[in-house]
Amino acid sequence: NAGVTQTPKFQVLKTGQSMTLQCAQDMNHNSMYWYRQDPGMGLRLIYYSASEGTTDKGEVPNGYNVSRLNKREFSLRLESAAPSQTSVYFCASSERTSGFYNEQFFGPGTRLTVL
Amino acid sequence: EDQVTQSPEALRLQEGESSSLNCSYTVSGLRGLFWYRQDPGKGPEFLFTLYSAGEEKEKERLKATLTKKESFLHITAPKPEDSATYLCAVQGSGYKLSFGAGTTVTVRA
Repeated sequence: NAGVTQTPKFQVLKTGQSMTLQCAQDMNHNSMYWYRQDPGMGLRLIYYSASEGTTDKGEVPNGYNVSRLNKREFSLRLESAAPSQTSVYFCASSERTSGFYNEQFFGPGTRLTVL
Repeated sequence: EDQVTQSPEALRLQEGESSSLNCSYTVSGLRGLFWYRQDPGKGPEFLFTLYSAGEEKEKERLKATLTKKESFLHITAPKPEDSATYLCAVQGSGYKLSFGAGTTVTVRA
């Protein structure tokens, strides 16, 4: 039981390049999330998927797109990377019970630098 | 808009020196308050969920408490392995978790 896995662990991009961050979970959770973490700012939600086939914008969605490929996988795409997107990206998943979103389980993160 | 403020930003303790971390929050319709531990270079690790004022939860040397405006994470007789950043988050009426910036705890032997 690997929990939440993310690839790659590290990535360096040049401004304008594109890339996709991959996330998979094996806990059979319905909900999945993408966050970014910057020093002194806490975790900020980029996009969210309540269930397979649905996605919603979070707090900081500009410059990103997502795909909920199936129940296990949720990817984050940067179409044209900018230095402001230098950050650590975390994927998380959770179960939903009677309208409540239970605790989220996080992956190990992807450390992205945009030059 | 939901807001979470954690204090202090950093805390340096001697092994065995108990202390508390504070998480102040404003949220419309609290559905849950979550505490996470994050080690350097790793993802947050879930510790506790608190749902209502007066609730308390314990795990080893950690004890979390909740009031209507804040939560405390008490660390009793800490050990060096308790060194980490502790994150607090709240869930209001929507799906979203709002996180604080965290408190970095360093415990010296």
